[in-house]
Amino acid sequence: AQKITQTQPGMFVQEKEAVTLDCTYDTSDPSYGLFWYKQPSSGEMIFLIYQGSYDQQNATEGRYSLNFQKARKSANLVISASQLGDSAMYFCAMREGPPKAAGNKLTFGGGTRVLVKP
Amino acid sequence: GAVVSQHPSWVICKSGTSVKIECRSLDFQATTMFWYRQFPKQSLMLMATSNEGSKATYEQGVEKDKFLINHASLTLSTLTVTSAHPEDSSFYICSAVGVLNQPQHFGDGTRLSIL
Repeated sequence: AQKITQTQPGMFVQEKEAVTLDCTYDTSDPSYGLFWYKQPSSGEMIFLIYQGSYDQQNATEGRYSLNFQKARKSANLVISASQLGDSAMYFCAMREGPPKAAGNKLTFGGGTRVLVKP
Repeated sequence: GAVVSQHPSWVICKSGTSVKIECRSLDFQATTMFWYRQFPKQSLMLMATSNEGSKATYEQGVEKDKFLINHASLTLSTLTVTSAHPEDSSFYICSAVGVLNQPQHFGDGTRLSIL
């Protein structure tokens, strides 16, 4: 069974508008972490934002925020004020286990391709 | 922020050649490194997890004799694709993590083309 699901294979967004990328996950572990990465066409994976399962508040990093709905097992990424440079693949990932288990592997979703239109 | 260097960026070589890819953590000690493979327009597929000084743990379906992983120090892991064939052509990317709840930091990847 898929542990991480990204249902949007691709989407367009107008420059300066906000966009929400969906991510749902499945785990029976009470401790886990959720990550979002950006992969431009050049291939590198850029870490964007992290949410721990016990974090009380939604994570924010600049223009990125994570809409964490634990009961729904969703961790959607919101990019505000989109820029042309935001065009890329975006991957949601989960690491099961407590925060100190940084060596645990990540499970990635299938990704969402975002194209920002001028 | 944490920096992971991966070398080489591109490799084109003949079938039957062995290819070594290096992954270095430049400003932190990487207790664990990961190797991924990515096909065009697909997600990352974990190949193996390596901890410094111990044997790598390979994911199901990944041939350990084909993809040799050495994690000799806290800052360096290598992936050697032995006797590479055209079907081994892919994008290989490593990541490294230090302590506590650090995210995995990725190298820039290696595009491997076997002719």
